[in-house]
Amino acid sequence: DAKTTQPNSMESNEEEPVHLPCNHSTISGTDYIHWYRQLPSQGPEYVIHGLTSNVNNRMASLAIAEDRKSSTLILHRATLRDAAVYYCILRPGISNFGNEKLTFGTGTRLTIIP
Amino acid sequence: DAEITQSPRHKITETGRQVTLACHQTWNHNNMFWYRQDLGHGLRLIHYSYGVHDTNKGEVSDGYSVSRSNTEDLPLTLESAASSQTSVYFCASSEQREDDEQFFGPGTRLTVL
Repeated sequence: DAKTTQPNSMESNEEEPVHLPCNHSTISGTDYIHWYRQLPSQGPEYVIHGLTSNVNNRMASLAIAEDRKSSTLILHRATLRDAAVYYCILRPGISNFGNEKLTFGTGTRLTIIP
Repeated sequence: DAEITQSPRHKITETGRQVTLACHQTWNHNNMFWYRQDLGHGLRLIHYSYGVHDTNKGEVSDGYSVSRSNTEDLPLTLESAASSQTSVYFCASSEQREDDEQFFGPGTRLTVL
């Protein structure tokens, strides 16, 4: 599986935008970029995913570099509830059995400063 | 509302005992997964299933087994618990689509003494 690289930790002020980077230089053409986050003492939860184009949903935006070797998760206005570990994961997109499982790295621990 | 539940939420057991952790989902998802998470690490895949009677080994499957007799449940069994299996265990499920998200349970904290 292709690997992702994320900073171990980041801090941001409350109510300011947060940009969480992820490098994935060995990404293949069919890999989807998924982001999950894990709040303290909870299971991971899905945030957003994309393939080539930038994506927006109610939680966040995903900006994907033109060469797809990096991406950035954008939280437009961080709140204290956004303090979590954020995982960037590549998931093969070929529609065959064996590609649904996720490989988690250690993620980025985001601290929000009130 | 559909959901995924795990039981028990906390368990303490002794080395050598057999332990079964339950996972139940009402999403009617074909895919189900078991992960473990140790302090300072991300989640690691133990076993997974793509449907009834289908089971597959993940990256850390030694000492664990699963069986899938229906769509809703994927119990995880530790045949002979070891202290190295002290961890937080998460169950997840997903649709069988190319890019679908996984839904995670709340976790079971297992301590093996």
